[in-house]
Amino acid sequence: EVQLVESGGGVVRPGGSLRLSCAASGFTFDDYGMSWVRQAPGKGLEWVSGINWNGGSTGYADSVKGRFTISRDNAKNSLYLQMNSLRAEDTALYHCARDHYGDYKRGAFDIWGQGTMVTVSS
Amino acid sequence: QSALTQPRSVSGSPGQSVTMSCIGTSSDVGGYKYVSWYQQHPGKAPKLMIYDVSKRPSGVPDRFSGSKSGNTASLTISGLQAEDEADYYCCSYAGSYVVFGGGTKLTVL
Repeated sequence: EVQLVESGGGVVRPGGSLRLSCAASGFTFDDYGMSWVRQAPGKGLEWVSGINWNGGSTGYADSVKGRFTISRDNAKNSLYLQMNSLRAEDTALYHCARDHYGDYKRGAFDIWGQGTMVTVSS
Repeated sequence: QSALTQPRSVSGSPGQSVTMSCIGTSSDVGGYKYVSWYQQHPGKAPKLMIYDVSKRPSGVPDRFSGSKSGNTASLTISGLQAEDEADYYCCSYAGSYVVFGGGTKLTVL
């Protein structure tokens, strides 16, 4: 079964850090681009960051640029998001999503995980 | 990085057709053939319905279709069914990043 399972969310104070993980299974992980997409409670979808199949190309939303870092380990079939200098507005459910293509930029996210919740609060 | 513009809500009766819009700019929707649409039911992960403007992933009914004209993309659902009631989000490539619309709530009357 094709599956993405996120982990690593939790409650963190403003200014703190968290590292999210996404474990992929059921498909050839290094054939696909991957992204993180978040959804604040009661709000819409927001693309956060993406990475191409071999990690050679990455992109970030302006709202997280300089604070978040996306990476992947194809040997472990895993995607990561290192989040530093967290703010209250980063509170959201974070989904990892597989792109239909080897790149991440075309926004054709055909497989989604159920998400991991990040709450930034003092 | 501005979000794409979608109407907050649309509605239709079972069996009817509805079309929802997604307005961008020449830097995103108008500049590339990479517009996608997602359906999201409450408490569920989004589901890809359309990609590359008008392509349907396997398993998506052909009642769902996508198109684009200039800076505006559209999703049309024909033969509306009760289970189509959901939030719909458009998404576009924008050069070096990806941008979503604010979402449209579809109500089936």
